Amino acid sequence: AQKVTQAQTEISVVEKEDVTLDCVYETRDTTYYLFWYKQPPSGELVFLIRRNSFDEQNEISGRYSWNFQKSTSSFNFTITASQVVDSAVYFCALAGGGNKLTFGTGTQLKVEL
Amino acid sequence: GAGVSQSPSNKVTEKGKDVELRCDPISGHTALYWYRQSLGQGLEFLIYFQGNSAPDKSGLPSDRFSAERTGGSVSTLTIQRTQQEDSAVYLCASSSSGQGGSNYGYTFGSGTRLTVV
Repeated sequence: AQKVTQAQTEISVVEKEDVTLDCVYETRDTTYYLFWYKQPPSGELVFLIRRNSFDEQNEISGRYSWNFQKSTSSFNFTITASQVVDSAVYFCALAGGGNKLTFGTGTQLKVEL
Repeated sequence: GAGVSQSPSNKVTEKGKDVELRCDPISGHTALYWYRQSLGQGLEFLIYFQGNSAPDKSGLPSDRFSAERTGGSVSTLTIQRTQQEDSAVYLCASSSSGQGGSNYGYTFGSGTRLTVV
C-alpha cells in the first residue's frame, strides 16, 4: 500500500517570508513518481512538478524549489519570498506501480500582507 | 480537446435519485481517473481506466457507484440512489501514459460539484 503524509494542516506566513511544505511518503515500489499540485480557491488542480524515484536532484523553478530525499522518504516544497497569490491548498501525491495517484490530505497555505 | 472537460459543473439532486457525471479526457490520453473531494478534504481515489478497462476499482465506496469508459475516451460515473454523504466534488484526470503520467503529470478537470438534498 502507498501512503502520503502532509502533517501540516495549515500554515500562515507574512508576504515575502519563505515557507516549506513537508511531504513524507510510503511505498514498496522501487519505481514511483512524486508530485505537487496547487489548488487555489477557484478549485482547479494545478500541476507543479513530477519527479521519478531515480532522480534525487533538487529542482528550482523561479520562487519554487523541491527537495527530494529517498533516505527519509520526503519530498518537501519550498516557496521563497511568498506572495499573496501563493495562498492555496497544496497537495503532495505519489504514483506507484499500480498507476493510482495517492494524495496527501493537503496543506492550506495562507499568505498575508 | 484542450483540457479535461467535466459536465455538469454543478448538480443538485434529491436523495434517492440516480446521477450521471461525465468526463471527456484530453484527446489521445489512454489513462483516466476519477477522484472525490469532500469539503475541506483531500482527494479520494475512486477508479482508474486504462483504455476501456478498469484495472483498479478499489476506491469505489459502495455498489451504488459504477463507472464505464467507452471507445477509450469519454467516461461516465454513475451514482445510484444518492445519499447525502455522496455530496462532494467529483474530479476526473487523464494522462497520456501509465505509471506516473507524462512529464506534465495528470491533467485534472474542473470537477462536478454534487449536492444531494
